[in-house]
Amino acid sequence: EAGVTQFPSHSVIEKGQTVTLRCDPISGHDNLYWYRRVMGKEIKFLLHFVKESKQDESGMPNNRFLAERTGGTYSTLKVQPAELEDSGVYFCASSPGFNSPLHFGNGTRLTVT
Amino acid sequence: AQSVTQLDSQVPVFEEAPVELRCNYSSSVSVYLFWYVQYPNQGLQLLLKYLSGSTLVKGINGFEAEFNKSQTSFHLRKPSVHISDTAEYFCAVGASGGYNKLIFGAGTRLAVHP
Repeated sequence: EAGVTQFPSHSVIEKGQTVTLRCDPISGHDNLYWYRRVMGKEIKFLLHFVKESKQDESGMPNNRFLAERTGGTYSTLKVQPAELEDSGVYFCASSPGFNSPLHFGNGTRLTVT
Repeated sequence: AQSVTQLDSQVPVFEEAPVELRCNYSSSVSVYLFWYVQYPNQGLQLLLKYLSGSTLVKGINGFEAEFNKSQTSFHLRKPSVHISDTAEYFCAVGASGGYNKLIFGAGTRLAVHP
């Protein structure tokens, strides 16, 4: 079975630009999560989708971040405009059910200069 | 509020030596506890989990962890490490007593030397 796929693996952008990260969960997994690790600190929860609905977006840092999951399949996370403090590794994870272990992707390393 | 503290940011160890990676948590609800490993250029992989029952949990690659409620700890151990165990290890607690919305520690880099 194919794992969780994230694209791109790396992205370098300038402050003020826009970046869109994509996550393809494991087929059939209704639950999709975004996490972020900034500057070697803790990995922090951003939000949780169940199918196309946002179940919990309490971890989203501010309104410069927009996550979507149209059709309940892949998800995108857009940062607009990007700031220096947005640099970090963005992880996506999916699971088939609420009480199932999370499967993580390899992450997207975002560098804002 | 729940939190996780990994007491060591880096742990160097020689090959075939035992290792313990320390993790303490705080939680006001029933805990689900996890250890994840991240090998270089890879995603997070679940090593083991504690949900309930036996406090000694065995995971993949010869790792085990012991849940200690009185000390609020969930330390990860391996009796003999290999070079291939070099990676970053993350302890996590499931917020609200579930798998969702994991709260992670800052990670411990395990460096195994020949």
